[in-house]
Formats: sequence, structure tokens, C-alpha cells
Amino acid sequence: GAVVSQHPSWVICKSGTSVKIECRSLDFQATTMFWYRQFPKQSLMLMATSNEGSKATYEQGVEKDKFLINHASLTLSTLTVTSAHPEDSSFYICSARDQGLKNTEAFFGQGTRLTVV
Amino acid sequence: AQSVTQLGSHVSVSEGALVLLRCNYSSSVPPYLFWYVQYPNQGLQLLLKYTSAATLVKGINGFEAEFKKSETSFHLTKPSAHMSDAAEYFCAVSERGTSYGKLTFGQGTILTVHP
Repeated sequence: GAVVSQHPSWVICKSGTSVKIECRSLDFQATTMFWYRQFPKQSLMLMATSNEGSKATYEQGVEKDKFLINHASLTLSTLTVTSAHPEDSSFYICSARDQGLKNTEAFFGQGTRLTVV
Repeated sequence: AQSVTQLGSHVSVSEGALVLLRCNYSSSVPPYLFWYVQYPNQGLQLLLKYTSAATLVKGINGFEAEFKKSETSFHLTKPSAHMSDAAEYFCAVSERGTSYGKLTFGQGTILTVHP
């Protein structure tokens, strides 16, 4: 099956620094990837849709200048949390869909646990 | 706009008992529906999906779900619970077409299995 790899699995950073999270589709091409955020004991909320070669589409309420998304190739999207603060601590999960196949679901990465201290 | 409601944030069953996790959806167009399982600090694993073929969908690990349009429901069941089924379960709905894969999730249901 399709594999999506997310790196790192966990990261601790100091308040005010930036953190980059990578999402890679290992065995398929993904023109579209999705970034979700999950607060402790809560559901997943879509943050943005990452489109290869164009700007990401952000959901209402998500600060595009704080959560920078870059989708520079058909297999890689990155999410950079800029000037991180403790309230940004969360579980971030990406998903990617093989656009070449009809009716296939998006596959999820293993998630990244971000802790800002 | 689409939405998903999972009834019951916590469900507790005995090992060997029936598992029933409830999901109702709201969608202005025929939806695609999914059930995912999440273990602590891990990503999501797809259990099953409904994409307008058979209304009774069989998934992995003995789970199945039935799409009932009249009730706007997509409840997840398993005849006999195992200890390894203890996890959090999410129901999700997706749009079709170019937005397929963009998911709206329910609040999640934590399943506890007692020996």
C-alpha cells in the first residue's frame, strides 16, 4: 500500500524558534497533501491543503504566516511553525493522496508531536 | 458544509462483546465516509470506507459499517471485541471530486475493552 512518511516523529523546541515538519509520499506522487492538527484528547482539524507548485489553501482561522507550507515536489510537503509558542504544542499529521488513482483515500503519516517550551 | 457527529466520546465493552460505535453525518451531496483507528501518539489507520458501492462495508480486523442514507448514519460494528481493539476511533466524511481526501472528522470515540 501507499506509504506516507513524516519526520520528525517528535520535536521539542524553545519558544520563539521555528520548526519544520516534512511529509513525504514514498511510493506515489501526490499533487495534494493535507495538514491536520490534533490537540490533546481532541479530534483532528484540517489546517491547510498543500498543492504542488502553488500556494497552499488555508482553513479559516489558520494563520498562513505562522504555519508556512511548501509543496516543492510531487513527493514532499513541509510545514514550518514559525516563532513557535507553547500554545502551538500539538500533534501534527499530514496525509497524501495518489492523484493518479480514482477513489483512493488519502494515506496518513505517523504524525509529529511538537512540544514548545 | 459537511459535518460528522460521533455519539459517545467513550465506549466500554467486555472482551468478546459486540462493539458498536455510532456516527452520523451531514452533507449536502452524497458523501464518502471513513472510519479510522488511532493508537496513542500514532497516525491514523484506515479501517474501512464507503464510496457509494455496497452499503455494507467490510474492513480490516473484523470491523464493518453500514451506510444508511435515510438515517444519515455510518455506524461501526465488530461482533466480538479483542483487547487489541482498545484505541480511539474517528469517523470522517470527505467531499468528492478534486476535494476527495480532504476530511472532516468526528470528535472521536475512545474504546476500552475489559477482560
